Amino acid sequence: RKEVEQDPGPFNVPEGATVAFNCTYSNSASQSFFWYRQDCRKEPKLLMSVYSSGNEDGRFTAQLNRASQYISLLIRDSKLSDSATYLCVVKEDTGRRALTFGSGTRLQVQP
Amino acid sequence: DAGITQSPRHKVTETGTPVTLRCHQTENHRYMYWYRQDPGHGLRLIHYSYGVKDTDKGEVSDGYSVSRSKTEDFLLTLESATSSQTSVYFCAISDLAGGETQYFGPGTRLLVL
Repeated sequence: RKEVEQDPGPFNVPEGATVAFNCTYSNSASQSFFWYRQDCRKEPKLLMSVYSSGNEDGRFTAQLNRASQYISLLIRDSKLSDSATYLCVVKEDTGRRALTFGSGTRLQVQP
Repeated sequence: DAGITQSPRHKVTETGTPVTLRCHQTENHRYMYWYRQDPGHGLRLIHYSYGVKDTDKGEVSDGYSVSRSKTEDFLLTLESATSSQTSVYFCAISDLAGGETQYFGPGTRLLVL
């Protein structure tokens, strides 16, 4: 079983739509959670951290459910420029500093 | 954008040859990481470094070695390249103890024939 699981998509949505991505993680010791964005043939970039109380950054809202080990990302009013792969990322509370990445969910926003 | 460069950006090599990839940063960040990215697997950690001459293995370290003789440089060596090491390799850096925000280099596309 993968440590971080995501639906690979693709999600094809029209401009202006609201779209939600989900992610589950297997290690209950995971401490920190993030969404990264990766454009085609580019490097991943941090989109936002995910806090226990949920957090919002403009059109983007992230939610965490520790009991269900579930993370979500909601994008409102989708733009063409939102087309990318969204990576769910967790960090465990261990001495190792690295992150564990999901395989990503691809979003294609269409005109 | 964080000052991270990777070289080469593209490389084609033959099975059995050694290959060295370089990651260079100008941010003076303490932590550096090497990941590989393959379809269906996401990014997987190969090795990481928490300081000059201090390195440790990640989840897919077999067949790879690393060195960090200076803060700014982190080298990844494929001792004897195999076709299974065909991948995109990303270097990342961070400066927080928890490594939360990692900044990635542009990647190196390696093809092993």
